[in-house]
Amino acid sequence: DTGVSQDPRHKITKRGQNVTFRCDPISEHNRLYWYRQTLGQGPEFLTYFQNEAQLEKSRLLSDRFSAERPKGSFSTLEIQRTEQGDSAMYLCASSFSGETQYFGPGTRLLVL
Amino acid sequence: DAKTTQPTSMDCAEGRAANLPCNHSTISGNEYVYWYRQIHSQGPQYIIHGLKNNETNEMASLIITEDRKSSTLILPHATLRDTAVYYCIVRVWGDNYGQNFVFGPGTRLSVLP
Repeated sequence: DTGVSQDPRHKITKRGQNVTFRCDPISEHNRLYWYRQTLGQGPEFLTYFQNEAQLEKSRLLSDRFSAERPKGSFSTLEIQRTEQGDSAMYLCASSFSGETQYFGPGTRLLVL
Repeated sequence: DAKTTQPTSMDCAEGRAANLPCNHSTISGNEYVYWYRQIHSQGPQYIIHGLKNNETNEMASLIITEDRKSSTLILPHATLRDTAVYYCIVRVWGDNYGQNFVFGPGTRLSVLP
């Protein structure tokens, strides 16, 4: 049983560029969550999917952020027109229904 | 979900038991206590969870008070690799509750040689 994987692990981009991150959940998990974590803080919820449906979005998820899970398996998180304030670790987690969430290693984004 | 309070930091000698407290005085009857830890630059790692009975697994033990207003995570023989930020979270369990975990700042545990 492989865990949650995320790609890339690190991304450096210039302000104004678009970036896309991918998350592959544990295979039998129907729920997938995205969190963001800034330095010294705990992770903060962004959004979650049950299968392919996006069921909740945090107010932290501005219009520049979009997430998809088209076939109910992997998910992508896109940030358009990146800003320096978007620099953070982006974490993905998955679970079977409302049970324990298992986290991936994260994608660390640095916006210059 | 109920809020939790944890000490900001703790030290523990290598080989000794690390006891990490958590207060959750407003916990409701259907909320579970979860513990995660995060080692530097990695994703949070699930440790253990429980409702009202004490729980033990290969990583740790969870002791929940009878009134459920506080709990303690016990790492029985701490090693240097246990140095991490430990998060205590209370959350409703189950299929009808899909939402996120609400992470506080956690306790930074330093295991000292």
